[in-house]
Amino acid sequence: KAGVTQTPRYLIKTRGQQVTLSCSPISGHRSVSWYQQTPGQGLQFLFEYFSETQRNKGNFPGRFSGRQFSNSRSEMNVSTLELGDSALYLCASSPRGLLEYEQFFGPGTRLTVL
Amino acid sequence: AQKVTQAQTEISVVEKEDVTLDCVYETRDTTYYLFWYKQPPSGELVFLIRRNSFDEQNEISGRYSWNFQKSTSSFNFTITASQVVDSAVYFCALSEEGGGSNYKLTFGKGTLLTVNP
Repeated sequence: KAGVTQTPRYLIKTRGQQVTLSCSPISGHRSVSWYQQTPGQGLQFLFEYFSETQRNKGNFPGRFSGRQFSNSRSEMNVSTLELGDSALYLCASSPRGLLEYEQFFGPGTRLTVL
Repeated sequence: AQKVTQAQTEISVVEKEDVTLDCVYETRDTTYYLFWYKQPPSGELVFLIRRNSFDEQNEISGRYSWNFQKSTSSFNFTITASQVVDSAVYFCALSEEGGGSNYKLTFGKGTLLTVNP
């Protein structure tokens, strides 16, 4: 069974641009959650999607948004990039939800904002 | 507001030693969930355990064990007979159940465990 895949693995953008990251969950998993990891703030929860609906969201500005498609693949978008958005972005999939089942993580997308 | 404290920033042990990673949490909810994750040098997070607030039974999985004590708001993780492959950053996390779309996961700062041969 294929694991969670994230594309691209590495990305370099400049301030003010926008970026879209993609996450393909394990087949049959309906929940996808996103996380940001930085040296300063550590690991932070961004949001979770289940069956194309956002179920919950962490404390991030509206520049961070996401969506989930009918095949459970999810995208995360960050608009008007700031230097502080440089981070490792991780996604995880779960059969139902992060409170209910174990999560399986992807390798992450390393975003650098110049 | 929910909070997770991992007071041990770094721990270094010699192989075969037992090691305990501490996790103390704060929450006002009676229903909540606690998690442990491992992040090896490769960077990919690995889920280790999920425990809800109504289940105070300790859990053992091979060399790993978890001690959940609501009285002290702690959810400690012990590795028995540590191995070099256990070297990683370990994160403890908490999620209040909230309601509707209000729950979120809060992570501790992590403990870097180094197991030396």
